[in-house]
Amino acid sequence: QQPVQSPQAVILREGEDAVINCSSSKALYSVHWYRQKHGEAPVFLMILLKGGEQMRHEKISASFNEKKQQSSLYLTASQLSYSGTYFCGTEFPTNDYKLSFGAGTTVTVRA
Amino acid sequence: DSGVTQTPKHLITATGQRVTLRCSPRSGDLSVYWYQQSLDQGLQFLIQYYNGEERAKGNILERFSAQQFPDLHSELNLSSLELGDSALYFCASSPSGQTTYEQYFGPGTRLTVT
Repeated sequence: QQPVQSPQAVILREGEDAVINCSSSKALYSVHWYRQKHGEAPVFLMILLKGGEQMRHEKISASFNEKKQQSSLYLTASQLSYSGTYFCGTEFPTNDYKLSFGAGTTVTVRA
Repeated sequence: DSGVTQTPKHLITATGQRVTLRCSPRSGDLSVYWYQQSLDQGLQFLIQYYNGEERAKGNILERFSAQQFPDLHSELNLSSLELGDSALYFCASSPSGQTTYEQYFGPGTRLTVT
């Protein structure tokens, strides 16, 4: 099942913060975050494994709440380079080697 | 540059035709994943190969097939093409067969079916 991302889009000014959520209807084993800039390939940001750990990539961090079956990506003090579409990919504990990606959240950071 | 190469970059073909997309993984990576990205469907997992063997199948149509060769490059074959197959096709590679590893995406092949 495809995870649900929210919001669909967000517009920020440089320096502002934003949160992107990724929710699943089933228990998760891991959550992966990727960023895709327009016309480019997705680029890996981080993986969160079951256990509630937080990860960080530059000023972007994420958390994984197993009970809520949800992950959140935090864009802190956003920079122009943060613009792009953020995808979460989820993996279930069945270990079937598949990632299901959400529809994406488009982030636009303006000067 | 992720180190993953895909050819061709663009492909325009007619309905009913067959095409082959090619992917060379990063040096040392054993896994290749294929994804389809269209405007209304997002990023859809198609199939994974690990060291020459099929490891996982996603929403891949029966008209589509893939293989991974001994030199680890992979090909995705799309046949009896329909207008709805127009999309960006990405391959990604990773060092392991496990999905708990970073995937490195290639630049993609944009397929247009007319």
